[in-house]
Amino acid sequence: KAGVTQTPRYLIKTRGQQVTLSCSPISGHRSVSWYQQTPGQGLQFLFEYFSETQRNKGNFPGRFSGRQFSNSRSEMNVSTLELGDSALYLCASSLAPGQGGYGYTFGSGTRLTVV
Amino acid sequence: GNSVTQMEGPVTLSEEAFLTINCTYTATGYPSLFWYVQYPGEGLQLLLKATKADDKGSNKGFEATYRKETTSFHLEKGSVQVSDSAVYFCALAPGYSSASKIIFGSGTRLSIRP
Repeated sequence: KAGVTQTPRYLIKTRGQQVTLSCSPISGHRSVSWYQQTPGQGLQFLFEYFSETQRNKGNFPGRFSGRQFSNSRSEMNVSTLELGDSALYLCASSLAPGQGGYGYTFGSGTRLTVV
Repeated sequence: GNSVTQMEGPVTLSEEAFLTINCTYTATGYPSLFWYVQYPGEGLQLLLKATKADDKGSNKGFEATYRKETTSFHLEKGSVQVSDSAVYFCALAPGYSSASKIIFGSGTRLSIRP
């Protein structure tokens, strides 16, 4: 079966712009979580969605937002981009919330560079 | 709170050497523990997991045992290959009924010389 698909793979944006990243989970998986990976901070949890509702949120400013559609696909948006937002953004899917204990399936990520 | 501490890298070994990457954790309750691997340019892949004390997770020759008494989950492999070169992340999930948020360690970069 197809894995977790993230698009685009690479993105270059200018400071102050906004960006939207997309994640399609594994078929049948209804929970999608987002992580930011940077060399300095490592992997940090952004948010989790299930049934089009945000279930859990990490410690990020309001410029970071997300949503989930009825087909479980998820998007995250970052507005007013800052240089520090340059990172690899990873999406992970699981069957349902609380399934993190069974392991996520991760996508290959979107590499965002802010210049 | 919950946290994961793993040995800093990079770790450089020769092919067929024995590998240990140390991981210790702090958690309330009974977390599940994981090792994830990230190959260059890729996302994270679940390598192995253990859901209760004394469980041993294993996959592709890698093993790790959930030690509650020492709060550890060290990764081992008896004979590494060049293809094992990657970044390895130890992680914990607070528990099945808790939020799905997984806490990751900082990662250990492993390089294997032919």
